[in-house]
Amino acid sequence: QLQLQESGPGLVKASETLSLTCTVSGGSISSSIYYWGWIRQSPGKGLEWIGSIFHSGTTYYNPSLKSRVTISVDTSKNQFSLNLTSVTAADTAMYYCARPYNSGWYPFEFWGQGALVTVSS
Amino acid sequence: EIVLTQSPGTLSLSPGERAALSCRASQSVRNNYLAWYQQKPGQSPRLLMYGASNRATGIPDRFSGSGSGTDFTLTISRLEPEDFAVYYCQQYGSSLTFGGGTKVEIK
Repeated sequence: QLQLQESGPGLVKASETLSLTCTVSGGSISSSIYYWGWIRQSPGKGLEWIGSIFHSGTTYYNPSLKSRVTISVDTSKNQFSLNLTSVTAADTAMYYCARPYNSGWYPFEFWGQGALVTVSS
Repeated sequence: EIVLTQSPGTLSLSPGERAALSCRASQSVRNNYLAWYQQKPGQSPRLLMYGASNRATGIPDRFSGSGSGTDFTLTISRLEPEDFAVYYCQQYGSSLTFGGGTKVEIK
């Protein structure tokens, strides 16, 4: 069964860089042709797609975050990562990594449990 | 960017009743690439529907989706106690965006 697990600091200072890693188990990132994604949810708010990455490294970002986001993949570790620069309080959120139900650009069926990141001033 | 507007914001219903949730897109969703998710407090979202009307793996048949173009509906034929949650629509026909959600609460 595919499992995803987010990890990283739970507290980040304003203006610094938020970095999270998603570790995939039960399946190989490099042998599959899925777009792996990051989604966030501010406290009490809705879902916001941050971006997605293909195992080859091709990325797609939310235009509203594109200038601050980098998503990368490390197939040797079966992980993909999120970097979000110049964070503010508005970036405080639960961050999820996820994988679609099928290869290609599809909705997310498999989700991590989420990592809560708080931005402090 | 396609903006998705969900209505109502909150739906107050009793177990056994039928729920109809609306998702309206600011422009036509290519190939009706519209999905629905359910999220319960403290849990990750759960994929319910894709392609507007296809149930995801393991989703009970009391959930159904319909619509095309800019207007989509998620229907829960008879609410079970475990169905009270927040529901989000998502379009994946042009980039990827989520609606603001509809909360289905117990009346």
